[in-house]
Amino acid sequence: QTVVTQEPSLTVSPGGTVTLTCASSAGAVSSGGYPNWIQQKPGQAPRSLIHSTNKKHSWTPARFSGSLLGGKAALTLSGVQPEDEAVYYCLLYYGGVVIFGGGTKLTVL
Amino acid sequence: EVQLVESGGGLVQPGGSLRLSCAASGFTFSSFWMYWVRQSPGKGLVWLSRTDLDGSRTEYADSVKGRFTVSRDNAKNTLYLQLSSLRAEDTAVYYCATGCSGWCGGNYYYGVDVWGQGTTVTVSS
Repeated sequence: QTVVTQEPSLTVSPGGTVTLTCASSAGAVSSGGYPNWIQQKPGQAPRSLIHSTNKKHSWTPARFSGSLLGGKAALTLSGVQPEDEAVYYCLLYYGGVVIFGGGTKLTVL
Repeated sequence: EVQLVESGGGLVQPGGSLRLSCAASGFTFSSFWMYWVRQSPGKGLVWLSRTDLDGSRTEYADSVKGRFTVSRDNAKNTLYLQLSSLRAEDTAVYYCATGCSGWCGGNYYYGVDVWGQGTTVTVSS
């Protein structure tokens, strides 16, 4: 069974830039896996940020961007705000199934 | 405003059954795929199922295949998740979400869009 792996935790300073990655045990992540990125703050429902590798939803702040980087999906936050502190999950499509990564807890400090 | 409201959660004994509902509003329900995702206490998100525009194609995670059944009523703008043979490890917050796996609303994409607030299922004796 395919496992999707993310950094367990990352720390970034306010105003800084950070990149979260999403790797697959099945091999390099490609656009065909249609990477999605989802944000979840404590006590709240998830909120989708990115779909199909790099497409933003209408509500996604401009400082969030998605890409493919070195065989992984990547989410880059530029000009991090304190309110960006959250857990970020990636999601990949593999044929008939959808697989979430374990999530990256982003601390803004 | 796009809105998804889950209901039907509660306390159920091991081996029992429950039906969750997800009422949709603010968008053309029949034009989008629907997803169920759950989150056990303190854990990450886990995909359970996705169903296509008219419910004719539904896919499940192996962990729930044969125990959970998804259906949708496009006339009522409502998605359902029938849970059966429940186990303690099914205790979680269950979320519905809208999205797409192909052509939806004139656009081609694979993604999860809007999420509901979730409903809590507790399996315990």
